[in-house]
Amino acid sequence: QSALTQPASVSGSPGQSITISCTGTSSDVGGYNYVSWYQQHPGKAPKLMIYDVSNRPSGVSNRFSGSKSGNTASLTISGLQAEDEADYYCSSYTSSSTIYVFGTGTKVTVL
Amino acid sequence: QLQLQESGPGLVKPSETLSLTCTVSGGSISSSSYYWGWIRQPPGKGLEWIGSIYYSGSTYYNPSLKSRVTISVDTSKNQFSLKLSSVTAADTAVYYCARHAPAMVHFDYWGQGTLVTVSS
Repeated sequence: QSALTQPASVSGSPGQSITISCTGTSSDVGGYNYVSWYQQHPGKAPKLMIYDVSNRPSGVSNRFSGSKSGNTASLTISGLQAEDEADYYCSSYTSSSTIYVFGTGTKVTVL
Repeated sequence: QLQLQESGPGLVKPSETLSLTCTVSGGSISSSSYYWGWIRQPPGKGLEWIGSIYYSGSTYYNPSLKSRVTISVDTSKNQFSLKLSSVTAADTAVYYCARHAPAMVHFDYWGQGTLVTVSS
């Protein structure tokens, strides 16, 4: 089971919206509504931002939203802020023997 | 508020066994439906799921590490542990423990992580 594919980097100016893609297969992203997204600042543990494709945990800003189409999931950050600069990882449950797989990670830069 | 804390040696020699413990506070490790997992992140690289355990002792491992990994749970101490045998430099990473939501679909609470370096 290979990691889910994400762009290495995405950038945007403050106030703009950006979207990060996460591409898998019908065995993971496309087959289940169990895609989640994590934000990781340098030297910190990952933080759950989105679960079950589009649900936000309590306390997460509504500027973060998730969606899915076919084998590709997306995380959109609207009204980009300096504090959003971080690495973002998608993940998914998978029917393969791996059970749980992470994406390759995307570095978000706020210009 | 649920909290998780990793503990264990920060330096392990090649070919030896890496051992880490995760202590859970603010909640019970025996909570129904939740699993408890280990994830690692080599320096400058991405996240890799190692494995997860249910409080009853049922375990689930990443096939790429399965032959070297053992995860166990001690409900009396509210702890779960990771053992990774025959380590090499490629096992150098920050190791995180985390709570794995029901059906193992996402990790909602994470420990702060601990760096383990494999070196002689």
